[in-house]
Amino acid sequence: NAGVTQTPKFQVLKTGQSMTLQCAQDMNHEYMSWYRQDPGMGLRLIHYSVGAGITDQGEVPNGYNVSRSTTEDFPLRLLSAAPSQTSVYFCASSPSSGGYTGELFFGEGSRLTVL
Amino acid sequence: AQSVTQLGSHVSVSEGALVLLRCNYSSSVPPYLFWYVQYPNQGLQLLLKYTSAATLVKGINGFEAEFKKSETSFHLTKPSAHMSDAAEYFCAVSEGGAYDKVIFGPGTSLSVIP
Repeated sequence: NAGVTQTPKFQVLKTGQSMTLQCAQDMNHEYMSWYRQDPGMGLRLIHYSVGAGITDQGEVPNGYNVSRSTTEDFPLRLLSAAPSQTSVYFCASSPSSGGYTGELFFGEGSRLTVL
Repeated sequence: AQSVTQLGSHVSVSEGALVLLRCNYSSSVPPYLFWYVQYPNQGLQLLLKYTSAATLVKGINGFEAEFKKSETSFHLTKPSAHMSDAAEYFCAVSEGGAYDKVIFGPGTSLSVIP
Protein backbone atom coordinates (compact mmCIF):
# COMPACT_ATOMS: atom_id res chain seq x y z
CA ASN A 1 0.00 0.00 0.00
CA ALA A 2 2.81 2.46 -0.78
CA GLY A 3 0.74 4.80 -3.04
CA VAL A 4 2.76 7.91 -3.95
CA THR A 5 6.23 8.06 -2.43
CA GLN A 6 8.31 11.22 -2.36
CA THR A 7 11.96 11.52 -1.38
CA PRO A 8 13.57 13.27 0.34
CA LYS A 9 11.09 14.60 2.90
CA PHE A 10 13.40 17.45 3.89
CA GLN A 11 16.26 19.12 2.05
CA VAL A 12 18.38 22.20 2.55
CA LEU A 13 20.25 23.61 -0.44
CA LYS A 14 22.52 26.52 -1.08
CA THR A 15 21.73 28.99 -3.84
CA GLY A 16 22.93 27.65 -7.18
CA GLN A 17 22.96 23.99 -6.23
CA SER A 18 20.94 21.48 -8.20
CA MET A 19 18.92 18.56 -6.94
CA THR A 20 16.21 16.10 -7.88
CA LEU A 21 13.02 15.42 -5.97
CA GLN A 22 11.93 11.86 -6.54
CA CYS A 23 8.33 10.71 -6.97
CA ALA A 24 7.23 7.12 -7.49
CA GLN A 25 3.77 5.55 -7.57
CA ASP A 26 2.85 1.89 -7.57
CA MET A 27 -0.78 2.25 -8.71
CA ASN A 28 -0.08 2.16 -12.48
CA HIS A 29 -1.44 5.70 -12.81
CA GLU A 30 -1.07 7.41 -16.17
CA TYR A 31 -1.28 10.97 -14.85
CA MET A 32 1.38 12.45 -12.57
CA SER A 33 2.03 16.01 -11.52
CA TRP A 34 4.14 18.26 -9.31
CA TYR A 35 2.82 21.16 -7.22
CA ARG A 36 4.43 23.62 -4.90
CA GLN A 37 2.60 24.93 -1.85
CA ASP A 38 3.32 28.37 -0.46
CA PRO A 39 1.41 30.23 2.29
CA GLY A 40 -1.56 32.14 0.91
CA MET A 41 -1.06 30.83 -2.62
CA GLY A 42 -2.47 27.34 -2.41
CA LEU A 43 -1.00 24.69 -4.68
CA ARG A 44 0.49 25.82 -7.94
CA LEU A 45 1.10 23.35 -10.74
CA ILE A 46 4.72 23.10 -11.88
CA HIS A 47 4.70 20.30 -14.47
CA TYR A 48 2.48 17.38 -15.28
CA SER A 49 2.50 14.22 -17.38
CA VAL A 50 -0.36 12.29 -18.99
CA GLY A 51 1.77 9.23 -19.67
CA ALA A 52 5.31 7.94 -20.16
CA GLY A 53 7.22 10.18 -22.57
CA ILE A 54 4.66 13.01 -22.37
CA THR A 55 5.12 16.06 -20.16
CA ASP A 56 3.77 19.60 -20.17
CA GLN A 57 4.22 22.84 -18.27
CA GLY A 58 1.91 24.02 -15.56
CA GLU A 59 1.49 27.44 -13.98
CA VAL A 60 5.01 27.94 -12.61
CA PRO A 61 7.49 25.82 -14.63
CA ASN A 62 10.50 28.15 -14.69
CA GLY A 63 13.56 26.74 -12.94
CA TYR A 64 12.28 23.16 -12.97
CA ASN A 65 12.69 20.23 -15.35
CA VAL A 66 10.84 16.94 -15.52
CA SER A 67 10.95 13.73 -17.53
CA ARG A 68 8.75 10.64 -17.58
CA SER A 69 10.64 7.61 -18.82
CA THR A 70 8.47 5.10 -16.96
CA THR A 71 4.87 5.02 -15.76
CA GLU A 72 6.01 4.74 -12.14
CA ASP A 73 8.49 7.61 -11.81
CA PHE A 74 8.24 11.37 -12.29
CA PRO A 75 11.32 13.18 -10.92
CA LEU A 76 11.45 16.96 -10.54
CA ARG A 77 14.82 18.60 -11.14
CA LEU A 78 15.85 21.98 -9.81
CA LEU A 79 18.55 23.24 -12.16
CA SER A 80 20.04 26.06 -10.07
CA ALA A 81 18.25 26.53 -6.78
CA ALA A 82 17.10 29.99 -5.75
CA PRO A 83 15.62 31.19 -2.42
CA SER A 84 12.30 31.73 -4.24
CA GLN A 85 12.11 27.95 -4.65
CA THR A 86 11.87 27.45 -0.90
CA SER A 87 8.55 25.64 -0.61
CA VAL A 88 6.76 22.40 0.09
CA TYR A 89 6.53 20.23 -3.00
CA PHE A 90 3.80 17.67 -3.60
CA CYS A 91 3.67 14.93 -6.18
CA ALA A 92 0.23 13.65 -7.18
CA SER A 93 -1.02 10.93 -9.49
CA SER A 94 -4.34 9.89 -11.02
CA PRO A 95 -5.58 6.84 -12.90
CA SER A 96 -6.98 8.89 -15.80
CA SER A 97 -5.17 8.33 -19.06
CA GLY A 98 -6.77 11.26 -20.82
CA GLY A 99 -9.69 13.42 -19.93
CA TYR A 100 -9.38 13.98 -16.26
CA THR A 101 -12.33 13.05 -14.09
CA GLY A 102 -10.61 11.19 -11.36
CA GLU A 103 -9.08 11.75 -7.98
CA LEU A 104 -5.56 12.96 -7.36
CA PHE A 105 -3.53 10.86 -4.94
CA PHE A 106 -0.91 12.91 -3.12
CA GLY A 107 2.44 12.09 -1.63
CA GLU A 108 3.37 13.36 1.84
CA GLY A 109 5.37 16.27 0.52
CA SER A 110 9.01 17.36 0.36
CA ARG A 111 10.04 20.45 2.29
CA LEU A 112 12.84 22.32 0.51
CA THR A 113 14.77 25.26 1.93
CA VAL A 114 17.17 27.23 -0.25
CA LEU A 115 19.64 29.42 1.60
CA ALA B 1 -7.37 28.70 -18.95
CA GLN B 2 -9.26 27.56 -15.91
CA SER B 3 -8.88 29.26 -12.54
CA VAL B 4 -10.32 29.15 -9.02
CA THR B 5 -10.95 31.79 -6.39
CA GLN B 6 -11.81 31.09 -2.76
CA LEU B 7 -13.36 33.94 -0.82
CA GLY B 8 -11.91 34.12 2.67
CA SER B 9 -8.44 32.84 3.41
CA HIS B 10 -9.53 32.06 6.96
CA VAL B 11 -12.93 31.09 8.35
CA SER B 12 -13.83 30.53 12.00
CA VAL B 13 -16.98 28.77 13.14
CA SER B 14 -18.24 27.54 16.49
CA GLU B 15 -18.54 23.83 17.07
CA GLY B 16 -21.99 22.74 15.90
CA ALA B 17 -22.44 25.72 13.58
CA LEU B 18 -22.85 25.67 9.81
CA VAL B 19 -19.68 25.53 7.74
CA LEU B 20 -19.71 27.44 4.45
CA LEU B 21 -16.55 27.68 2.34
CA ARG B 22 -16.84 29.56 -0.93
CA CYS B 23 -15.40 28.62 -4.32
CA ASN B 24 -15.86 30.28 -7.68
CA TYR B 25 -14.32 29.03 -10.88
CA SER B 26 -13.55 30.17 -14.37
CA SER B 27 -13.57 27.68 -17.22
CA SER B 28 -14.13 27.82 -20.97
CA VAL B 29 -15.82 24.42 -20.98
CA PRO B 30 -18.05 22.55 -18.53
CA PRO B 31 -15.68 21.90 -15.67
CA TYR B 32 -14.92 19.11 -13.29
CA LEU B 33 -14.75 20.49 -9.75
CA PHE B 34 -13.22 19.15 -6.58
CA TRP B 35 -12.78 19.90 -2.90
CA TYR B 36 -9.70 18.61 -1.11
CA VAL B 37 -8.78 18.80 2.57
CA GLN B 38 -5.32 19.05 4.08
CA TYR B 39 -4.68 18.32 7.73
CA PRO B 40 -1.50 19.72 9.31
CA ASN B 41 1.73 18.28 7.92
CA GLN B 42 -0.08 15.95 5.57
CA GLY B 43 -0.84 15.69 1.88
CA LEU B 44 -4.25 16.44 0.42
CA GLN B 45 -7.18 14.05 0.28
CA LEU B 46 -10.35 14.24 -1.77
CA LEU B 47 -13.55 15.35 -0.02
CA LEU B 48 -15.87 15.28 -3.01
CA LYS B 49 -16.05 15.86 -6.76
CA TYR B 50 -18.48 17.11 -9.38
CA THR B 51 -18.28 15.42 -12.78
CA SER B 52 -21.48 16.62 -14.53
CA ALA B 53 -23.88 14.19 -12.88
CA ALA B 54 -25.97 15.48 -9.94
CA THR B 55 -25.41 19.14 -9.11
CA LEU B 56 -25.54 18.45 -5.36
CA VAL B 57 -22.57 16.31 -4.44
CA LYS B 58 -22.11 14.53 -1.15
CA GLY B 59 -18.66 13.74 0.17
CA ILE B 60 -16.96 12.27 3.16
CA ASN B 61 -17.30 13.44 6.76
CA GLY B 62 -20.73 15.01 6.18
CA PHE B 63 -19.60 17.60 3.64
CA GLU B 64 -21.50 18.47 0.49
CA ALA B 65 -21.22 20.97 -2.33
CA GLU B 66 -23.59 22.34 -4.92
CA PHE B 67 -22.60 23.16 -8.48
CA LYS B 68 -24.31 26.33 -9.73
CA LYS B 69 -23.46 27.03 -13.34
CA SER B 70 -25.20 30.42 -13.41
CA GLU B 71 -23.06 31.61 -10.50
CA THR B 72 -19.92 29.67 -11.53
CA SER B 73 -19.77 28.48 -7.94
CA PHE B 74 -19.11 25.27 -6.06
CA HIS B 75 -19.46 26.16 -2.37
CA LEU B 76 -18.71 23.58 0.32
CA THR B 77 -21.05 23.17 3.28
CA LYS B 78 -21.47 21.08 6.40
CA PRO B 79 -24.50 21.50 8.67
CA SER B 80 -22.66 21.09 11.96
CA ALA B 81 -18.94 21.72 12.47
CA HIS B 82 -16.83 19.33 14.49
CA MET B 83 -13.47 20.07 16.07
CA SER B 84 -11.89 17.51 13.75
CA ASP B 85 -12.94 19.61 10.72
CA ALA B 86 -10.22 22.16 11.46
CA ALA B 87 -7.96 22.00 8.40
CA GLU B 88 -7.07 23.71 5.13
CA TYR B 89 -9.61 23.29 2.32
CA PHE B 90 -8.83 23.63 -1.36
CA CYS B 91 -11.17 23.94 -4.30
CA ALA B 92 -9.84 22.71 -7.65
CA VAL B 93 -10.97 22.73 -11.29
CA SER B 94 -10.21 20.62 -14.32
CA GLU B 95 -11.42 21.00 -17.89
CA GLY B 96 -10.92 17.41 -19.03
CA GLY B 97 -9.43 16.56 -22.39
CA ALA B 98 -6.36 14.59 -23.41
CA TYR B 99 -3.84 17.03 -21.94
CA ASP B 100 -5.80 18.04 -18.92
CA LYS B 101 -4.46 19.57 -15.74
CA VAL B 102 -5.87 20.33 -12.30
CA ILE B 103 -5.70 23.89 -10.98
CA PHE B 104 -6.15 24.66 -7.29
CA GLY B 105 -7.45 27.72 -5.50
CA PRO B 106 -5.48 29.48 -2.74
CA GLY B 107 -7.21 27.59 0.04
CA THR B 108 -9.30 28.45 3.08
CA SER B 109 -8.15 27.65 6.59
CA LEU B 110 -11.04 26.53 8.78
CA SER B 111 -10.88 26.97 12.55
CA VAL B 112 -13.50 25.42 14.83
CA ILE B 113 -14.05 27.13 18.17
CA PRO B 114 -15.22 24.94 21.06
